[in-house]
Amino acid sequence: QQQVKQSPQSLIVQKGGISIINCAYENTAFDYFPWYQQFPGKGPALLIAIRPDVSEKKEGRFTISFNKSAKQFSLHIMDSQPGDSATYFCAASMTGTASKLTFGTGTRLQVTL
Amino acid sequence: NAGVTQTPKFRILKIGQSMTLQCAQDMNHNYMYWYRQDPGMGLKLIYYSVGAGITDKGEVPNGYNVSRSTTEDFPLRLELAAPSQTSVYFCASSFEGQPNTEAFFGQGTRLTVV
Repeated sequence: QQQVKQSPQSLIVQKGGISIINCAYENTAFDYFPWYQQFPGKGPALLIAIRPDVSEKKEGRFTISFNKSAKQFSLHIMDSQPGDSATYFCAASMTGTASKLTFGTGTRLQVTL
Repeated sequence: NAGVTQTPKFRILKIGQSMTLQCAQDMNHNYMYWYRQDPGMGLKLIYYSVGAGITDKGEVPNGYNVSRSTTEDFPLRLELAAPSQTSVYFCASSFEGQPNTEAFFGQGTRLTVV
C-alpha cells in the first residue's frame, strides 16, 4: 500500500522554465513533508520541507505548496537550471514514529538547454 | 566532516551467500535507518534504530538483520542472498526523533545478487 503517491514519473523542462512535481498522501497523521534531491550515484539530500500549519514555503527558487484539505503538496522549481537535473522524492513522516520517512516513487527531472 | 559513510560502494553476491553492509556516522545521531531503493519504487524502510541496543523492523525487513552496539555503527546483514535483494541500499541518520529533523543519507551500496 503506497501511502504517498508522486507524479509525474519523469519530467523534461527547458532552462528557465517552471518544474512542478506533485504528491498526495493518505494518512492524515503525517505532519512533516520533506522533499529530497538525489543526483546519480549519490544519496538523497534534503532540499526543502514543510509542516501542515503553513500553506507555502519558499527557499530561493524552490517552493512547496501545501493543501491540507486535499492532502496534496507540490514542489515548484522556478527558473529551472541544468544543474537541477536530478531525481526528486517527496516524503512524509509523523510525530512519535522515530522520524521514519515514507517516500514517493520519485520524479526524474531533466532540464534542457 | 564525513557524515554517513557506507561500505562497500558496490558488491556482487551469489545466491545463498551472506554479507554485511557497513554504515557509520560521526554526527552523534541517535536515530539510524536502512532503506532500499528500487527503480520506480522510491525508498523503502528496512530497519531502524533509535539508539544503541534498540532496533525495530520497517516496511520490508524480511531477509535482513541489523544490530546497533554503538551510537556510530549500524550494520545490515544479509544471511542468504536472493535475487530479490538486488537493490541500492542507503543508510541514514538523524539527530532527534522529531519529524522536523533532517535525515542525512550515505552514498549508498549497490548490491547485485546473481
